[in-house]
Amino acid sequence: GAVVSQHPSRVICKSGTSVKIECRSLDFQATTMFWYRQFPKKSLMLMATSNEGSKATYEQGVEKDKFLINHASLTLSTLTVTSAHPEDSSFYICSVETGGPPHNEQFFGPGTRLTVL
Amino acid sequence: GQSLEQPSEVTAVEGAIVQINCTYQTSGFYGLSWYQQHDGGAPTFLSYNALDGLEETGRFSSFLSRSDSYGYLLLQELQMKDSASYFCALRASNTGKLIFGQGTTLQVKP
Repeated sequence: GAVVSQHPSRVICKSGTSVKIECRSLDFQATTMFWYRQFPKKSLMLMATSNEGSKATYEQGVEKDKFLINHASLTLSTLTVTSAHPEDSSFYICSVETGGPPHNEQFFGPGTRLTVL
Repeated sequence: GQSLEQPSEVTAVEGAIVQINCTYQTSGFYGLSWYQQHDGGAPTFLSYNALDGLEETGRFSSFLSRSDSYGYLLLQELQMKDSASYFCALRASNTGKLIFGQGTTLQVKP
């Protein structure tokens, strides 16, 4: 499997500020990483696919200018929530995928809980 | 499109067996996965069915029937630590993306 870390684990910020979340693949070179968002007691919703060295691919309804993704190396992807508002408060989880279809498996980071005041 | 349905909550007692069902609608998929997530934690992979039938991994088993658009996760010899949310997820063949169900919260009681 792959070991994935995220930093920070929790962050509280004021409305209008920007927050950067890091996702690191510790033992696997990931050309692709995924960013999910999860509200309490809800499912994981894919926000975007982060591609090393190129632009991220965003899911329908996700604002690319609000959720900036940078995948500068094979082990690091960052998600920046710009001008955060209380409705952006959520649990953000990244993942990496090993192998290829149909048996590729995703390994998730521990998540970052964002609270916007 | 793709959609998955699971019961929102299931309660069982320690030592018992519980089955969490998942029905789905899809235009095509590679397989059905199951993930466990403890409160505030990361989802962890439990099982994957690419073909119809039963896959067994220790106390956990997963089943898939493509003709019935149905799968389930079976947990045996329940332990208190099994209290968590369980998600079924299918990998769409047109996009390769993982689509998650809404999750089932399992509460194991003494």
